[in-house]
Amino acid sequence: NAGVMQNPRHLVRRRGQEARLRCSPMKGHSHVYWYRQLPEEGLKFMVYLQKENIIDESGMPKERFSAEFPKEGPSILRIQQVVRGDSAAYFCASSPPIIRTGRTDTQYFGPGTRLTVL
Amino acid sequence: AQTVTQSQPEMSVQEAETVTLSCTYDTSESDYYLFWYKQPPSRQMILVIRQEAYKQQNATENRFSVNFQKAAKSFSLKISDSQLGDAAMYFCALVLYGNKLVFGAGTILRVKS
Repeated sequence: NAGVMQNPRHLVRRRGQEARLRCSPMKGHSHVYWYRQLPEEGLKFMVYLQKENIIDESGMPKERFSAEFPKEGPSILRIQQVVRGDSAAYFCASSPPIIRTGRTDTQYFGPGTRLTVL
Repeated sequence: AQTVTQSQPEMSVQEAETVTLSCTYDTSESDYYLFWYKQPPSRQMILVIRQEAYKQQNATENRFSVNFQKAAKSFSLKISDSQLGDAAMYFCALVLYGNKLVFGAGTILRVKS
């Protein structure tokens, strides 16, 4: 069973360009989460998605950032008009369907995408 | 608001010795999960151990064990027989209703040979 896949692993963009980060969850997992890790910091929640639905986007910046998890294909985190402050490692995690108390338990992480904005 | 605090920015341990990493948290919920994740230089987030709040028994995974004190909201990680491969950043995390993980700031663990 392959783990969570993310691509690309490294992405370099110039200010003003768009960045697209992809995440394929583990087989059988229907929940996807995106986290951002700024240099020398812990991970911060951005968005939680299920197939074709955004469940919680309370951690997403209000502008330039969007996420989707279509019926077919990977989840995409899109950053428009990138700025230097967007440079960070972006992690995707997935978890299996909720089976108890309406709350999932373990999230499994992908290797991350390191975004560098020049 | 839910918070996770790791008060030790950095710890060192001699190879084969035991080390304990501290974590405290704050939540008003009674049912939740707690995790320790390891992040080596590769930056991959690796699940080390998890604890379900409704279980009183402390979780154990080989050389890794936790001391879960629910009333004190404390969740420390003990690593026995430390190995060079244990050197990494360790994050304590709490999962809330709505399924988002809240992470602590991390503790860098250095293992001396």
